[in-house]
Amino acid sequence: GQQVQQSPASLVLQEGENAELQCNFSSTATRLQWFYQRPGGSLVSLLSNPSGTKHTGRLTSTTVTKERRGSLHISSSQITDSGTYLCAMGTGANTGKLTFGHGTILRVHP
Amino acid sequence: EAAVTQSPRNKVAVTGGKVTLSCNQTNNHNNMYWYRQDTGHGLRLIHYSYGAGSTEKGDIPDGYKASRPSQENFSLILELATPSQTSVYFCASGRRDWGVGQLYFGEGSKLTVL
Repeated sequence: GQQVQQSPASLVLQEGENAELQCNFSSTATRLQWFYQRPGGSLVSLLSNPSGTKHTGRLTSTTVTKERRGSLHISSSQITDSGTYLCAMGTGANTGKLTFGHGTILRVHP
Repeated sequence: EAAVTQSPRNKVAVTGGKVTLSCNQTNNHNNMYWYRQDTGHGLRLIHYSYGAGSTEKGDIPDGYKASRPSQENFSLILELATPSQTSVYFCASGRRDWGVGQLYFGEGSKLTVL
């Protein structure tokens, strides 16, 4: 079946450092979507893009569909960025029929 | 503000019992989803719906039923709960098309089956 691999599994940063999270997927995706999950909490959509680069605030998502990979760059990390970042791939038009990776746990220290 | 509300937030059930997890959305979204999240598996899609009266099987539907009586409500039903169904369940809603695609998740329902 479809698979999504995320790396690293966990990451520890000092406040102000940048982070690069990777996502690789096993079949042709029509879009890659990034979510943030608060510790013990719900998921929040961050960015969704089928290909190319998208920015929002301190986040940049880059998807190279032909190479089946994507990345999420977090610049100038803050303590409140701590949590789990999930990558999910979608195929077809259905907005929420997604295959998720296991996530990258990010901890930002002061 | 888009809102997805799940109930109950915590539930302890006995093996063989019936469990109903409820989800309500005020987003007027056509699509709704039920996922479960387990350590080592990530989130997996159980059932989804395109609108009132519609239910579709996701990737792991065995042991679960779904019901969409209205645009706002989507339930997940475990007729005979088993310990392997102990998990955190998330409901989500989204628009039909990716053009305006964002997925909105509820806070999760933690189910423990003893």
